[in-house]
Amino acid sequence: GAGVSQTPSNKVTEKGKYVELRCDPISGHTALYWYRQSLGQGPEFLIYFQGTGAADDSGLPNDRFFAVRPEGSVSTLKIQRTERGDSAVYLCASSPGYTRDTQYFGPGTRLTVL
Amino acid sequence: DQQVKQNSPSLSVQEGRISILNCDYTNSMFDYFLWYKKYPAEGPTFLISISSIKDKNEDGRFTVFLNKSAKHLSLHIVPSQPGDSAVYFCAAINGSSNTGKLIFGQGTTLQVKP
Repeated sequence: GAGVSQTPSNKVTEKGKYVELRCDPISGHTALYWYRQSLGQGPEFLIYFQGTGAADDSGLPNDRFFAVRPEGSVSTLKIQRTERGDSAVYLCASSPGYTRDTQYFGPGTRLTVL
Repeated sequence: DQQVKQNSPSLSVQEGRISILNCDYTNSMFDYFLWYKKYPAEGPTFLISISSIKDKNEDGRFTVFLNKSAKHLSLHIVPSQPGDSAVYFCAAINGSSNTGKLIFGQGTTLQVKP
């Protein structure tokens, strides 16, 4: 079956602009996670959805970052007033729902802020 | 502070030999550990996991060992194959959390030479 997909695969924007990154999880997966991976580092947790609600947003770095999952499937990560330090690969993962279920990752969106 | 540490940025082994990747953690509340493999331009792929109630888990060529008293785990790959060349991430889940958020190490790049 289809895996987790993320669009766009690459996004180049200018400092101060607004961006949206999209994640399509595996069908039927109720848990969805966003991570951010900077160069030379491991992925860093941003936010976790169980269904439509954000069950844990403790990893969002500041209020410029926001994520939604209105129908419990597709999720959008929104970044306002982008800064050069936001440049990273943004990874999305989904799992069936239990906290110990395997998380399946998408290929990521590479965001570059000029 | 880095709660999961992979102190070796890279490792090179000969095809057919054993690869040993190491990981240390500091948080005694971690109760579930995972290894993910990542190829360039792809998302991380789950390899193997271990619960803190076990000290070993084996799946084919991959074995994970957990030493709770030392807060150390390792991934053994035997025999190593050129296709195993990738970045390997160790990750942990906090048992006191009701989310499945993964805390990743920085990664170790494994190169298996033919």
